[in-house]
Amino acid sequence: AQKITQTQPGMFVQEKEAVTLDCTYDTSDQSYGLFWYKQPSSGEMIFLIYQGSYDEQNATEGRYSLNFQKARKSANLVISASQLGDSAMYFCAMRVYQKVTFGIGTKLQVIP
Amino acid sequence: GAGVSQTPSNKVTEKGKYVELRCDPISGHTALYWYRQSLGQGPEFLIYFQGTGAADDSGLPNDRFFAVRPEGSVSTLKIQRTERGDSAVYLCASSPGSGLTNTEAFFGQGTRLTVV
Repeated sequence: AQKITQTQPGMFVQEKEAVTLDCTYDTSDQSYGLFWYKQPSSGEMIFLIYQGSYDEQNATEGRYSLNFQKARKSANLVISASQLGDSAMYFCAMRVYQKVTFGIGTKLQVIP
Repeated sequence: GAGVSQTPSNKVTEKGKYVELRCDPISGHTALYWYRQSLGQGPEFLIYFQGTGAADDSGLPNDRFFAVRPEGSVSTLKIQRTERGDSAVYLCASSPGSGLTNTEAFFGQGTRLTVV
């Protein structure tokens, strides 16, 4: 069975600062994908970034980077230069074959 | 449209009634997922379709829940004898479904179901 753990129910960050959202995962499969999604108050799920289990480089997408530490089974999201529009729920997810499992999320609030 | 479409966006029903929730995936996407998201929680997997068949329905909570995808595109999630605990946002997502791990799922806006 797959499991995603997000231990930070809420985080605050000052505008323009960087913030790290934690995610650990558990799976016995060797091939998997890790994702981060953003869910604003409007409710839609917005894909942010992907990391494959065999990727040696950490994924980056603009201001988002994924700090992938395979041995520790962690996939933390780093948001640089936070903006007010980054305030939202953030979900870590893992795909094994076609099944995607989500964590319970972290609520990020960016302070002006 | 180009995205995943879910109807209705909101549904209020009485306890014990039957409801159907519809999902129109992105054209050409063979994989379709249903998730349920309760307030303050992450999406909870319900069922996954590959084409017309349910490849994994291990997340359906009980036999009151059923989903179909008869022609491999539109899917309907059916809930019988609704209970107040079924109140949640039901999310549908689709993906190209090639079996690769590097494709994200595209989500619809969800259907907010309220059972009173």
